Amino acid sequence: SAVISQKPSRDICQRGTSLTIQCQVDSQVTMMFWYRQQPGQSLTLIATANQGSEATYESGFVIDKFPISRPNLTFSTLTVSNMSPEDSSIYLCSVEAVGEATNEKLFFGSGTQLSVL
Amino acid sequence: LAKTTQPISMDSYEGQEVNITCSHNNIATNDYITWYQQFPSQGPRFIIQGYKTKVTNEVASLFIPADRKSSTLSLPRVSLSDTAVYYCLVGGYGSSNTGKLIFGQGTTLQVKP
Repeated sequence: SAVISQKPSRDICQRGTSLTIQCQVDSQVTMMFWYRQQPGQSLTLIATANQGSEATYESGFVIDKFPISRPNLTFSTLTVSNMSPEDSSIYLCSVEAVGEATNEKLFFGSGTQLSVL
Repeated sequence: LAKTTQPISMDSYEGQEVNITCSHNNIATNDYITWYQQFPSQGPRFIIQGYKTKVTNEVASLFIPADRKSSTLSLPRVSLSDTAVYYCLVGGYGSSNTGKLIFGQGTTLQVKP
C-alpha cells in the first residue's frame, strides 16, 4: 500500500487567485493522478502526472487552468489557476499500487476541499 | 473502456447482508473488476478486486458470473459505519491503463439502526 499526504486539506479562496495543492507519497510510484470531485458527484480524472515531462490531461481539462508538476517519483503538485466559484470541489491525488500483484488498484489521498468565493 | 451501471442508492439495516450489483456489459478480456468505498470527506478506499468467479477477503465478497458482464459486491452483516458510497470500476491491467479508470455514479448505501 501507499500512504498519501495532501496539503492543504481545505482552503477558502477568492476568485481570480490560484491555489497549489501538494501530494506526497511515502514510496516511489510510477503512476500519479489528479481527480476532481464536485459536490455530490462522482470522481472525474483531471490528468496523469508524468515524472519529468508534461502531464497528460483528460478531455475538458487544460494545462493553463490546471498546471501540474511531478519533479520526482514521490511528489506532485496541482495548481488551480484563476479560480472561479465553479472550481469549488474536492481535489484528490491518487497513485497506483507498486510492487503488488494487483491490477488497477488505486490509493487516494484524503483530498483538498476547495471553496472559491 | 467498459462503462458500469449501479443502483444510485440502497438502504439496509444493521446486521443485514447487502448485495450491490454492477453491470458492465462491454467488459474486455483483460479487464479486472474493482470496488472502492468512499466515506464523506475522504478519498475512495480499495475494497476488493476480482477477475472471475468468487473472491473473498476480510471485508467483502465479490461474485462474478461466467460471462463477467456483471458483478455483485456482498457486505456481510453491515453496521452503521458501512454507510458510504460504493464504486464499481472496470479496467484493463497494466500501468498504462490505470489512469483510465472511470468512476461511475456509485451506489450510496445507507445503513439504518
